[in-house]
Amino acid sequence: GEDVEQSLFLSVREGDSSVINCTYTDSSSTYLYWYKQEPGAGLQLLTYIFSNMDMKQDQRLTVLLNKKDKHLSLRIADTQTGDSAIYFCAERPGANNLFFGTGTRLTVIP
Amino acid sequence: NAGVMQNPRHLVRRRGQEARLRCSPMKGHSHVYWYRQLPEEGLKFMVYLQKENIIDESGMPKERFSAEFPKEGPSILRIQQVVRGDSAAYFCASSPGAGGRTEQFFGPGTRLTVL
Repeated sequence: GEDVEQSLFLSVREGDSSVINCTYTDSSSTYLYWYKQEPGAGLQLLTYIFSNMDMKQDQRLTVLLNKKDKHLSLRIADTQTGDSAIYFCAERPGANNLFFGTGTRLTVIP
Repeated sequence: NAGVMQNPRHLVRRRGQEARLRCSPMKGHSHVYWYRQLPEEGLKFMVYLQKENIIDESGMPKERFSAEFPKEGPSILRIQQVVRGDSAAYFCASSPGAGGRTEQFFGPGTRLTVL
């Protein structure tokens, strides 16, 4: 079955870049996603990447995809305290549901 | 346009009681997904419904759990005879259609605590 793995914790200083990594198993996934979850809230879609792309940039966010190694990363430039949250990567191998990783808790130190 | 709404936000039940979780999708969305998030884990898919139909329930436990999305009104996730292991956050998402490019919009979740 599908398996999406992430490291559990990441701490960075305000103003530095954050890099959150994810590995997935299903090579048939057409889209891969990054979601942000703030405390007590639902998930907010940050960005997604189509599987035939290597990179996608959206303001402070850069997504890198290595399809050969099934590795996805999210880089947040100039990390701010408001970026502190849990970040989930997800794959969608079919038309229906998403498969999520365990989430990476990002802590930004002022 | 209001987002996905879920209620209640917090629900406390004793073992053996029933829990009913409600989800109102965004206006114009006819596809609803339910996910469960256990403490310190990612979200796990439970069920995917369109109006009046269950499309995919491969993630639903075989017993005690059921879901519906009637023609009128919200989608309901029902858990009968709850046990402590059912304590989790239950998230609903909705989308206007299906397919990989279609974004799923998530509600704020219902946090169920079973005493």
